[in-house]
Amino acid sequence: GESVGLHLPTLSVQEGDNSIINCAYSNSASDYFIWYKQESGKGPQFIIDIRSNMDKRQGQRVTVLLNKTVKHLSLQIAATQPGDSAVYFCAAAPTGGFKTIFGAGTRLFVKA
Amino acid sequence: NAGVTQTPKFQVLKTGQSMTLQCAQDMNHEYMSWYRQDPGMGLRLIHYSVGAGITDQGEVPNGYNVSRSTTEDFPLRLLSAAPSQTSVYFCASSYALPGGTYNEQFFGPGTRLTVL
Repeated sequence: GESVGLHLPTLSVQEGDNSIINCAYSNSASDYFIWYKQESGKGPQFIIDIRSNMDKRQGQRVTVLLNKTVKHLSLQIAATQPGDSAVYFCAAAPTGGFKTIFGAGTRLFVKA
Repeated sequence: NAGVTQTPKFQVLKTGQSMTLQCAQDMNHEYMSWYRQDPGMGLRLIHYSVGAGITDQGEVPNGYNVSRSTTEDFPLRLLSAAPSQTSVYFCASSYALPGGTYNEQFFGPGTRLTVL
């Protein structure tokens, strides 16, 4: 079955720097990839997504890169702010979007 | 819109007790799902539903039952609680694009369950 893993459980960055959070997935049939942000005591919140027919997608201060050859995706946060401190999850789903599989999460610490 | 709501926020059960975790959404989403989150781990899918009357198992369905009688509600039942079911439970919903592909999920605030 699918497995989704993150490369680092924690990441510490200086306020104003760019953050990069990496993720790997195992199933070539995964078709849809999502990044979620979870703040303490809350449910995950959608940040950005990308489908397998794309290799890059940009949002406000965030960019997701998808490399299907090595089954890797990354989340880039520009000009990281204290409010970005949270746990970030990548998730992968097969065609149709059912049975989304989540990675374990990377906790991002932002130093002032 | 209230989005996805879950009740209760906290619950303590004794081993062997049963209970139902409630989940409701007011966005008319077809897809709903239940996850559990254990410390240091990601979310694991328990059950999901693509519409009223249709449910299916996720990664970790054992010990849990679901039903979907309306679009809005998707309750999760623990028939005989065990300490291994101590976790935080999240309900989520999603909408379908033309062609049936689903998008990002909207999550509720979670229910923190402790089984003694």
